[in-house]
Amino acid sequence: AQSVTQPDIHITVSEGASLELRCNYSYGATPYLFWYVQSPGQGLQLLLKYFSGDTLVQGIKGFEAEFKRSQSSFNLRKPSVHWSDAAEYFCAVGVGDYKLSFGAGTTVTVRA
Amino acid sequence: NAGVTQTPKFRILKIGQSMTLQCTQDMNHNYMYWYRQDPGMGLKLIYYSVGAGITDKGEVPNGYNVSRSTTEDFPLRLELAAPSQTSVYFCASSWKPPGDTGELFFGEGSRLTVL
Repeated sequence: AQSVTQPDIHITVSEGASLELRCNYSYGATPYLFWYVQSPGQGLQLLLKYFSGDTLVQGIKGFEAEFKRSQSSFNLRKPSVHWSDAAEYFCAVGVGDYKLSFGAGTTVTVRA
Repeated sequence: NAGVTQTPKFRILKIGQSMTLQCTQDMNHNYMYWYRQDPGMGLKLIYYSVGAGITDKGEVPNGYNVSRSTTEDFPLRLELAAPSQTSVYFCASSWKPPGDTGELFFGEGSRLTVL
């Protein structure tokens, strides 16, 4: 069965430091991959997505992610974190046409 | 542009009561979804719809019902509320399905507590 694993439940990072969030998936075919962000009290917003082509994808708010087929991973990165990046981040895999399978999420805390 | 609007934002129910969570979108999206979010569990798909009059079950449909009489509205009905239905519920919509470059647009969520 398909699954999405986000190994880190909580990450604390200093403002200005780099951030990397891990995502591993288990899926038989080449998946559609997404990263969503949820700010406190808000719904989810799409950061970026991968369907095919260049394995390094750029998203909004300065985020990027790299698809590595050999490692079944789709890690999210940002070179320099801002306080406004404090949020919960969800990796998701497209399962068939209509369904997304979400990971459990990683909460990011930004310290001054 | 309001996007996806959910009501109510908060609700407390007693065991056995019923209620409807309302969801409306003004983007003319064909695809609509209901998810529930539980701590440490991510989001689970309850029901989805690919157009007016067409709905289908997701991963966790038990205890819920939906209808889609118009493109704009996709209400979620809870019958005989149980404590296990305490959760945050998100409605979402998309122009295309996720497997076809479809970005989901989410509402702000409805926090439901069943006591």
